[in-house]
Amino acid sequence: GAVVSQHPSRVICKSGTSVKIECRSLDFQATTMFWYRQFPKQSLMLMATSNEGSKATYEQGVEKDKFLINHASLTLSTLTVTSAHPEDSSFYICSAMQGGGYGYTFGSGTRLTVV
Amino acid sequence: DAKTTQPTSMDCAEGRAANLPCNHSTISGNEYVYWYRQIHSQGPQYIIHGLKNNETNEMASLIITEDRKSSTLILPHATLRDTAVYYCIVRVALSGSARQLTFGSGTQLTVLP
Repeated sequence: GAVVSQHPSRVICKSGTSVKIECRSLDFQATTMFWYRQFPKQSLMLMATSNEGSKATYEQGVEKDKFLINHASLTLSTLTVTSAHPEDSSFYICSAMQGGGYGYTFGSGTRLTVV
Repeated sequence: DAKTTQPTSMDCAEGRAANLPCNHSTISGNEYVYWYRQIHSQGPQYIIHGLKNNETNEMASLIITEDRKSSTLILPHATLRDTAVYYCIVRVALSGSARQLTFGSGTQLTVLP
């Protein structure tokens, strides 16, 4: 089946630094990928929709200059959290749509801790 | 996308069937019922989906009522590894529609030894 690889799985960074999270579709091409954020004991909240070769679409309340998304190829989307603060600590999850009506495949998530 | 209502939590004994209900009384004729689950600290995993007929795969069965206003996900022989949050999502077919999945609060299923 389709696999989405997300890296790193865990990252700890200092406040004020930037962190890049990669999301790769391993055996299919993904024109569109989605980035979600999940705080403890809460559901997934969509942050942005990433389209290959064009600018990402951000959900209301998500700062596009803070959460930089690049989708330069059909198999790779990256999320960069710039100038991270402790309140950005969360679980970040990407997903990509595969064909055949089977919906979306999700990455395994990245646990970001900003200290 | 139609709104769904699920119980906050459920327990199930290991080896027994787990029946997870979902209400979607405002579902439209072209909307499917999708089920995903999220094991702690992992990304969501697709389980099954259906339109109006009952569906079964290697993971679970999906029973949709005739009026399509509710459905039940059945895990026939629950194991400890089935402990997860289960999300019922109603929306138009995912194929050919590059729109996001919207997650509700889901049901925390705990399988007890």
